[in-house]
Amino acid sequence: AQKVTQAQTEISVVEKEDVTLDCVYETRDTTYYLFWYKQPPSGELVFLIRRNSFDEQNEISGRYSWNFQKSTSSFNFTITASQVVDSAVYFCALSEAWAGANNLFFGTGTRLTVIP
Amino acid sequence: NAGVMQNPRHLVRRRGQEARLRCSPMKGHSHVYWYRQLPEEGLKFMVYLQKENIIDESGMPKERFSAEFPKEGPSILRIQQVVRGDSAAYFCASTTTNGENTEAFFGQGTRLTVV
Repeated sequence: AQKVTQAQTEISVVEKEDVTLDCVYETRDTTYYLFWYKQPPSGELVFLIRRNSFDEQNEISGRYSWNFQKSTSSFNFTITASQVVDSAVYFCALSEAWAGANNLFFGTGTRLTVIP
Repeated sequence: NAGVMQNPRHLVRRRGQEARLRCSPMKGHSHVYWYRQLPEEGLKFMVYLQKENIIDESGMPKERFSAEFPKEGPSILRIQQVVRGDSAAYFCASTTTNGENTEAFFGQGTRLTVV
């Protein structure tokens, strides 16, 4: 069975600080996909990244970076030099053998507040 | 190109009433998915539809809930005889196909409050 754990319910940082959001997952499949979504106060879900289980390279996109470690079943997300606009709820999700959007398992989310 | 459109954004219903939630997928998308987000929880899959067909309803409660995606018009999630426990945010997502490299786009959600 799949499971996604985001142990940090809420995090507050001061603007320009770096912050890491943790995500630990469980799956029995060898092929799976991991995602991060951002849910700003306006409510929509914004796709940030998708990573498959065979690609353990870390990824950087501007101020965002992701650290995928199969050995610890973690897919952590770091925001460098945080900004107020980063304030949102961030969801990590898992899909076994991604083939659409009918098998996304979401964590409970981490609410990030960036204080100016 | 408009994104996934859901309406209404907020819906208040009294216990026992019916709730109808609408989802218009992105242009060119023929696959629609409904997810529910209960308070303090992550999103959970409910149902997957293509035009005029329900493909996967494994996450749908067996009673009072139904979904459709007609040939013309938006997808509708219908909840009959709502109860307080139905209060949640309901999200719709759409994709072009159901293949490995498809991208799912989510709407802004409908927040249902049952009073």
